[in-house]
Amino acid sequence: DSGVTQTPKHLITATGQRVTLRCSPRSGDLSVYWYQQSLDQGLQFLIQYYNGEERAKGNILERFSAQQFPDLHSELNLSSLELGDSALYFCASSATGEKQPQHFGDGTRLSIL
Amino acid sequence: GQQVMQIPQYQHVQEGEDFTTYCNSSTTLSNIQWYKQRPGGHPVFLIQLVKSGEVKKQKRLTFQFGEAKKNSSLHITATQTTDVGTYFCAGRGATNKLIFGTGTLLAVQP
Repeated sequence: DSGVTQTPKHLITATGQRVTLRCSPRSGDLSVYWYQQSLDQGLQFLIQYYNGEERAKGNILERFSAQQFPDLHSELNLSSLELGDSALYFCASSATGEKQPQHFGDGTRLSIL
Repeated sequence: GQQVMQIPQYQHVQEGEDFTTYCNSSTTLSNIQWYKQRPGGHPVFLIQLVKSGEVKKQKRLTFQFGEAKKNSSLHITATQTTDVGTYFCAGRGATNKLIFGTGTLLAVQP
């Protein structure tokens, strides 16, 4: 158990819809990262938050947005969903410091029909 | 931008054979981390290398960071079925972002 909690585990929706994925980091971790993993693909970094502020941005589409709340949980919002957005979305958290390892949640599997 | 490539993409070995995956970055890295993702699971941190030429061992796993800090390798001696999964390297470069490699999927036949 990594200590990172993601909900929901599975999400099935239709094209054009909007969904929200939620992540609770490990106790004490201020950094939260979001990744997208498509079938047979690697981990594509989307965005990082640190203590409520956006810290780094990766290949995140304009239709996607995220935020980190004062209690440090984070949400990833995906809108105007397309078939190609079907993927496994991971959240990870880490302690402060660039050399800290990242601890991943179990992921949310998003299926667009 | 910074890219991290891994080879091979896929390797199938007989149990007991050795396995190596190579990680190459387009830019110099300040550190490199290795993760393992079991089928159906999430990535799990294995180790971090920081120094040029550093070598670290974890039981049957040997991790190496290149002298130029642009490449790394993971070698598994005498693979077991429990080694099955995808191995990712992740390097941190000038952008300070941790960029994950493309991963190597290891299949071990008993």
